[in-house]
Amino acid sequence: GAVVSQHPSWVICKSGTSVKIECRSLDFQATTMFWYRQFPKQSLMLMATSNEGSKATYEQGVEKDKFLINHASLTLSTLTVTSAHPEDSSFYICSAGREGGYTFGSGTRLTVV
Amino acid sequence: KQEVTQIPAALSVPEGENLVLNCSFTDSAIYNLQWFRQDPGKGLTSLLLIQSSQREQTSGRLNASLDKSSGRSTLYIAASQPGDSATYLCAGVTGKLIFGQGTTLQVKP
Repeated sequence: GAVVSQHPSWVICKSGTSVKIECRSLDFQATTMFWYRQFPKQSLMLMATSNEGSKATYEQGVEKDKFLINHASLTLSTLTVTSAHPEDSSFYICSAGREGGYTFGSGTRLTVV
Repeated sequence: KQEVTQIPAALSVPEGENLVLNCSFTDSAIYNLQWFRQDPGKGLTSLLLIQSSQREQTSGRLNASLDKSSGRSTLYIAASQPGDSATYLCAGVTGKLIFGQGTTLQVKP
């Protein structure tokens, strides 16, 4: 079945630094990938839609300059949290859609100290 | 406004019981419905996808139904097991996923 690999699974960084999260589709090409954020005991909130070869589409209220998304190839999308602060600590998950539904990465737990 | 609602928010049952999780949606633009399972601190595992042309899908002890006219979907779990304990999320598909808040299930041995 379709596999989406997400790395790292967890990261701790200092306030003010930037963190990059990678999302790879291992056995299929994904022209579109999605990035979600999840707070404890809450559901997933769509942050942005990543489009291969073009700019990402951000949901209302999501700062595009803070959450930089790059989708340079059909198998890789990256989310960079720039100048991270403690309030950016969260669980970030990527997803790609294909025939048969949407597949999710295993998520990245970001802790900013 | 696109909205997906799941009831109940939490459910605790003894092992072996059959149970039903409910999902309702108000957006007629939703054409498919997908059910996921999420274990604590983990990503999402797809359980069942019901396409707009289908009314239900089955996988093992799981059966999901979709009634677009009423905006409802149900996930039926037969003979529940402690390993079924997790949060179950339904998501409406409109080209992107619109998630419900989830139902946290605990199956007690």
